[in-house]
Amino acid sequence: DAGVIQSPRHEVTEMGQEVTLRCKPISGHDYLFWYRQTMMRGLELLIYFNNNVPIDDSGMPEDRFSAKMPNASFSTLKIQPSEPRDSAVYFCASRTTGGDTEAFFGQGTRLTVV
Amino acid sequence: AQKVTQAQTEISVVEKEDVTLDCVYETRDTTYYLFWYKQPPSGELVFLIRRNSFDEQNEISGRYSWNFQKSTSSFNFTITASQVVDSAVYFCALSEGMGDKLIFGTGTRLQVFP
Repeated sequence: DAGVIQSPRHEVTEMGQEVTLRCKPISGHDYLFWYRQTMMRGLELLIYFNNNVPIDDSGMPEDRFSAKMPNASFSTLKIQPSEPRDSAVYFCASRTTGGDTEAFFGQGTRLTVV
Repeated sequence: AQKVTQAQTEISVVEKEDVTLDCVYETRDTTYYLFWYKQPPSGELVFLIRRNSFDEQNEISGRYSWNFQKSTSSFNFTITASQVVDSAVYFCALSEGMGDKLIFGTGTRLQVFP
């Protein structure tokens, strides 16, 4: 398996624009997580899905953020409109059921909003 | 609610020194899982180890060792004879129950100087 695949790797956009980050989890994994990493706040969990269903989105900072998982092999995180404070590295991770299984992370998307 | 605290923001050592990274966790569950991840300067997140709440046996893997103590809710990580290649940010993480959300601490940046 190629691992968790995220695209794009880098994104630079202007304030106010819509940004869509993409993630392909590892085949067979039924949990998918979106994290945001900043110097100030470390790795924050934004939202996670189980079997394509959002379970907990309490970490989503505000209504400008939305996430979907239309099928088991694809998820998106959308920011609309984007703001400079959204600049961060966004990671997607997946794991199988069972608390003792580790999560596998994608390479991350570095988002810069100017 | 689950919480992970890594009080050490940054640690600097000279090569060959031993170093311990602290991790303290909070959870109400009796079944939970603890993890350590490494994030080298290249940015990817690399899984190092997992432990379940029923196994307090310490583990050693080469120069790495982990000390799990339920009495103090700690899961500390020691690197013996540190090397420059150990320079990275290290994250401790906690998962409750059966594969539920994975929460990370804020990380400890370790710098090993030659």
